[in-house]
Amino acid sequence: GAGVSQSPRYKVAKRGQDVALRCDPISGHVSLFWYQQALGQGPEFLTYFQNEAQLDKSGLPSDRFFAERPEGSVSTLKIQRTQQEDSAVYLCASSLALGAYNEQFFGPGTRLTVL
Amino acid sequence: DQQVKQNSPSLSVQEGRISILNCDYTNSMFDYFLWYKKYPAEGPTFLISISSIKDKNEDGRFTVFLNKSAKHLSLHIVPSQPGDSAVYFCAASGPGAQKLVFGQGTRLTINP
Repeated sequence: GAGVSQSPRYKVAKRGQDVALRCDPISGHVSLFWYQQALGQGPEFLTYFQNEAQLDKSGLPSDRFFAERPEGSVSTLKIQRTQQEDSAVYLCASSLALGAYNEQFFGPGTRLTVL
Repeated sequence: DQQVKQNSPSLSVQEGRISILNCDYTNSMFDYFLWYKKYPAEGPTFLISISSIKDKNEDGRFTVFLNKSAKHLSLHIVPSQPGDSAVYFCAASGPGAQKLVFGQGTRLTINP
């Protein structure tokens, strides 16, 4: 069946531009996670949702980062006034239910480059 | 504050031999540990996990060992195959936590 998909796969933005990254989770998956992976590092947690409720956004690096999942399926990660330090791969993952014991299935990521 | 550390950025192993990837953690509250494998241009895929109530979990060629007193876990791959060449991430989670805390990754190369 279809896995987690993300779009666009690559995004180049000029510093100061706003960007929106989309995640389509596996159908029926309740939980959705966003991670940021800087070059040469492991993924770092940003935020997660249970259905449409954003239950933890403690990993968002600044108030320029905003995530939503209004209908409990597709999610969008928005970054306002992008900075060079925002350059990274943004990974989305979904799982059938809450709890780390439930496998998180990752999408291929969106590589964001801020010039 | 890196709570999960993989101190070897890369590892090269001959095909057929054992690959051992190591991971250390600092947070004693972590109770669930996972290994993910990542190929270029793809997202990480789950490989194997272990709960803190166990010290070993085996799945085919893959075995994870957990040493709670040393706050150390390792992934053994036997025998190593060319398709095992990838970046391996160790991850951990605490009680009731949803998010995963990842290490920096180790790039494993299996040589023919």
